[in-house]
Amino acid sequence: DQQVKQNSPSLSVQEGRISILNCDYTNSMFDYFLWYKKYPAEGPTFLISISSIKDKNEDGRFTVFLNKSAKHLSLHIVPSQPGDSAVYFCAASTGGSNYKLTFGKGTLLTVNP
Amino acid sequence: NAGVTQTPKFQVLKTGQSMTLQCAQDMNHNSMYWYRQDPGMGLRLIYYSASEGTTDKGEVPNGYNVSRLNKREFSLRLESAAPSQTSVYFCASSEQLLSDTQYFGPGTRLTVL
Repeated sequence: DQQVKQNSPSLSVQEGRISILNCDYTNSMFDYFLWYKKYPAEGPTFLISISSIKDKNEDGRFTVFLNKSAKHLSLHIVPSQPGDSAVYFCAASTGGSNYKLTFGKGTLLTVNP
Repeated sequence: NAGVTQTPKFQVLKTGQSMTLQCAQDMNHNSMYWYRQDPGMGLRLIYYSASEGTTDKGEVPNGYNVSRLNKREFSLRLESAAPSQTSVYFCASSEQLLSDTQYFGPGTRLTVL
């Protein structure tokens, strides 16, 4: 049972345009959502997060939107740059004593010059 | 400030052999984690340590043991390696268990023949 789903294995975007990466989840107990970026042969690096009490969080070129009723979140990158080419993982966590952090399978973003 | 370091970077084992993957962080973080990543899969949590002296099972703990040696170090042991444990292993740390940012090491690529 995959509780965090990234249904697009890959996405190709032109430099300067917007990249939109999507993520769906099924567990209503998730209350914190994160995006990580991963380059080949490196560990993932934290990108941006959002709490379930918010519906938007922005950090520079990166914005994460959360739609709790649809159990959907998205990461917008604008403008996209070739250096953004990487695998992006969506992750969701539960709090309290039953800690759980679940990752999606990732989306490979390619930004073409 | 090296962040999170992992040794070794690569390892090849025969079925039934044992080995220990080492992880250390120099950020004075309380919580540490071990993940595995398989092709086409997201990161899956093997074990975590909320604080020095405590360890808990994650999503896929079978076949592994861990030791939180001190605040800096968290090791992962395979007692009798199996081909199904061929994977890339990532260690991570965070200030607290529910901190949004986990800092990842560069990974250990393990092949079990």
